[in-house]
Amino acid sequence: AQSVTQLDSHVSVSEGTPVLLRCNYSSSYSPSLFWYVQHPNKGLQLLLKYTSAATLVKGINGFEAEFKKSETSFHLTKPSAHMSDAAEYFCVVTFLTGANNLFFGTGTRLTVIP
Amino acid sequence: ETGVTQSPTHLIKTRGQQVTLRCSSQSGHNTVSWYQQALGQGPQFIFQYYREEENGRGNFPPRFSGLQFPNYSSELNVNALELDDSALYLCASSSLTGRGYGYTFGSGTRLTVV
Repeated sequence: AQSVTQLDSHVSVSEGTPVLLRCNYSSSYSPSLFWYVQHPNKGLQLLLKYTSAATLVKGINGFEAEFKKSETSFHLTKPSAHMSDAAEYFCVVTFLTGANNLFFGTGTRLTVIP
Repeated sequence: ETGVTQSPTHLIKTRGQQVTLRCSSQSGHNTVSWYQQALGQGPQFIFQYYREEENGRGNFPPRFSGLQFPNYSSELNVNALELDDSALYLCASSSLTGRGYGYTFGSGTRLTVV
């Protein structure tokens, strides 16, 4: 079965400090992995994606994530948090077979303290 | 290049009524997927349409139905509305040939059932 687990429902960091949002996946197939961000009352915006190329993926707004197959993890990081990073973040998995629908984690709410 | 547009943005319906939500896919995308996002949760896959045919379905009852038109726009219909149908409904378009590579989401329709 395919699933995604976001280990923290809420993360709080101070502005200028590093961000780490954790994600583990379960898959019987080779996955594609994504991180999406959702600001209040907005749709979902793609931050970055892993599709079996380089394991370290760089995204928009200074975010990056590393695919670790041995740990079945795809954690999202950013060296220095900005106030505008406060939002809900979703780790997402899909598979290049069938309907390739997206399986979302339950989300991590990031709070940035000034 | 236009993005994904959804209408209406907000909707209030009474239990037992029927509702139709609309989605215009991004230019060049031939696949539309619909997701339901309940408050405080990650989006859940409802179904996907490709070339006007249903291409996959999540764990939703038959009263959730859809259509895709020749211009790749789509509708989501929900009959016999229940209070638990209150949610943000998100539409995502993609190119099936590039599946796993790009899903563009609309801003959603917030449905409230009273």
